[in-house]
Amino acid sequence: GNSVTQMEGPVTLSEEAFLTINCTYTATGYPSLFWYVQYPGEGLQLLLKATKADDKGSNKGFEATYRKETTSFHLEKGSVQVSDSAVYFCALYNNNDMRFGAGTRLTVKP
Amino acid sequence: EAGVAQSPRYKIIEKRQSVAFWCNPISGHATLYWYQQILGQGPKLLIQFQNNGVVDDSQLPKDRFSAERLKGVDSTLKIQPAKLEDSAVYLCASSLDGGLAGEQFFGPGTRLTVL
Repeated sequence: GNSVTQMEGPVTLSEEAFLTINCTYTATGYPSLFWYVQYPGEGLQLLLKATKADDKGSNKGFEATYRKETTSFHLEKGSVQVSDSAVYFCALYNNNDMRFGAGTRLTVKP
Repeated sequence: EAGVAQSPRYKIIEKRQSVAFWCNPISGHATLYWYQQILGQGPKLLIQFQNNGVVDDSQLPKDRFSAERLKGVDSTLKIQPAKLEDSAVYLCASSLDGGLAGEQFFGPGTRLTVL
């Protein structure tokens, strides 16, 4: 079946630090992969996506590359800001099935 | 453009009572999703509609949960009777095409507490 496993949090970083949040998946076929973000007091919103192997999704300085050989879609940002503090969810969509990871809470301190 | 609307935002009920949630998707979005998000977990897909037909409801506990989207626009999700473990945030989302890479737009959710 389809499943997503992502790095447990919480993660606390200082401003301008490098961020990696690991995400691996299990799926048959060729799922689409997503990172969603939930800022405090707001609803879930799409951060970036990739629909096929070796695609790189990017938005707001965040990047993730669809790696089929390692079944991974790790989220990275070179220099985080306080405003990046949020909960990040890795997700996949495959055969009408949408699966989310448990979420990773990121806190960025000034 | 108006986003996905949900009501109520909060609901507190006793176990064994019934409750209903309402969702109005973004205008023109054919696909509508209901999710359950238990505290500390990621959203779990309950049911997916394409217009007014059900695409997938394999994770919907059909003995107590039901959902409908009668005119292919807004939707209701009902729980009858509620159990303590149903306490969660119920999220509604919609997408334009519902296909392989369709971006889903989420509403603010309804936080349900079952006492």
